[in-house]
Parts: sequence; C-alpha cells; structure tokens
Amino acid sequence: QSMLTQPPSVSGAPGQRITISCTGSSSNTGAGYDVHWYQQVPGTAPKLLIYGNNNRPSGVPDRFSGSKSATSASLAITGLQAEDEADYYCQSYDSSLSGSRVFGTGTKVTVL
Amino acid sequence: QVQLQQWGAGLLKPSETLSLTCAVYGGSFSAYYWSWIRQPPGQGLEYIGDIDHSGSTNYNPSLKSRVTISVDTSKYQFSLKLSSVTAADTAVYYCAREGPFRGPNYYYYYMDVWGKGTTVTVSS
Repeated sequence: QSMLTQPPSVSGAPGQRITISCTGSSSNTGAGYDVHWYQQVPGTAPKLLIYGNNNRPSGVPDRFSGSKSATSASLAITGLQAEDEADYYCQSYDSSLSGSRVFGTGTKVTVL
Repeated sequence: QVQLQQWGAGLLKPSETLSLTCAVYGGSFSAYYWSWIRQPPGQGLEYIGDIDHSGSTNYNPSLKSRVTISVDTSKYQFSLKLSSVTAADTAVYYCAREGPFRGPNYYYYYMDVWGKGTTVTVSS
C-alpha cells in the first residue's frame, strides 16, 4: 500500500557518502507535504532522524542531512560509520488516504 | 522526558480482537496526536492510525473497517483494537507521539517518541 518508494538496499565503505531516495507522487511528496526520516536498528523501535525535509532533532549527528525536490526526497549520510548500519524509512502525508500518514518501503544500509 | 509504555495480549487466534494500550509519562497529553504503527516480520512500517485528546481519529483506509483507536485522557492512555485478526496481522505494534510540532511557517506532524513495541502473533 506504500506509495513512497525507496531502494531496497544501499551500501558503502566507512567514510563514504551515500544517499537514499524516497520517491512519491502528486498526492504526497509532489503535493508539497513534508518528508521525515527514521532510522531503525533491527530489534529496536524506529528513531526520528530528520523532520520537515531537512531538520535534525537534537542529538542527531550532522553527518545526516535531508533534502526534498518536486516529487522526491533524499537522505544523505556522509562519513559513513559502522553504527549507521540500519534500516531507514521516509514518511509523509498522503491526501488520497483520508488523512493517513504513509511510510516508505524502507532501505537497508550496509557498511562494507 | 516523555516515555511511552505499551502492553497487550501477544498471542491471538484467528477472528479474535487485538487489544493494546499505550500510557504516556512525563509530558503533555492534550497537545498531541498519538499514533499506532505496525511492522510485520521482515517487512516495513505501516501506519495504522492516530487520535488526539478529544477523540478525533485518522485511520489507514486499508484497515479502517477493523480498527478502533480510543483515548482515556484521565489516565494519559490511548488504545488500539483490531478486530477479526488473521495471520496477516502478525506484527510488532508500536505506539508513538505524532505532533503537531511548531515549524517556522506551519506545524509538522512526525513521530518523535516511540514505545518499545509489542509483538503480536496470530496463530491457531
């Protein structure tokens, strides 16, 4: 049912920069709704990483950054570290779903 | 610091009703929306719905016919009921605080505090 598409997996070596895309449609990201990002280490609850497209909550390292264009958003991780290995999800609002929020399909980040 | 503590039955038979409760500690209850999200084994996150202190709700259309989210403001608690469960409802269920959070021009809605999750298994 998810209408936010992410690549299933992205990998990089320590120190590298990686990006994760989140592609939506005219009823969610294309309509101007904000995108938020969450990090989930397996076996634990998701953690808020980026809110409002490009804002970091207190305590989130500045290695994480977000951006948004017309119908898509991106999460960038610079200076990749072993502890960044996790699943990442984007989330937005969808006007075709009667007030429902929607999550992306999720991306597994592997640190080589 | 806001904390969410959730509980409920972890093993159900097909056709039974799932029932979970989430208690809010350490912060305002009336200022926010409160959400339920689930994650089937090996799969991604799925939004179930949310509620505010007045009882106003939003539901995922794909689950709306079976979901009821309610609130007890006197106890700072909100609850999820999902009827007629099947094996497809087997998942970890999370409660979360959703906002609104003030931004420079408007309010944001995102999940900033999460419960630890409750594993619910549906099996005959």
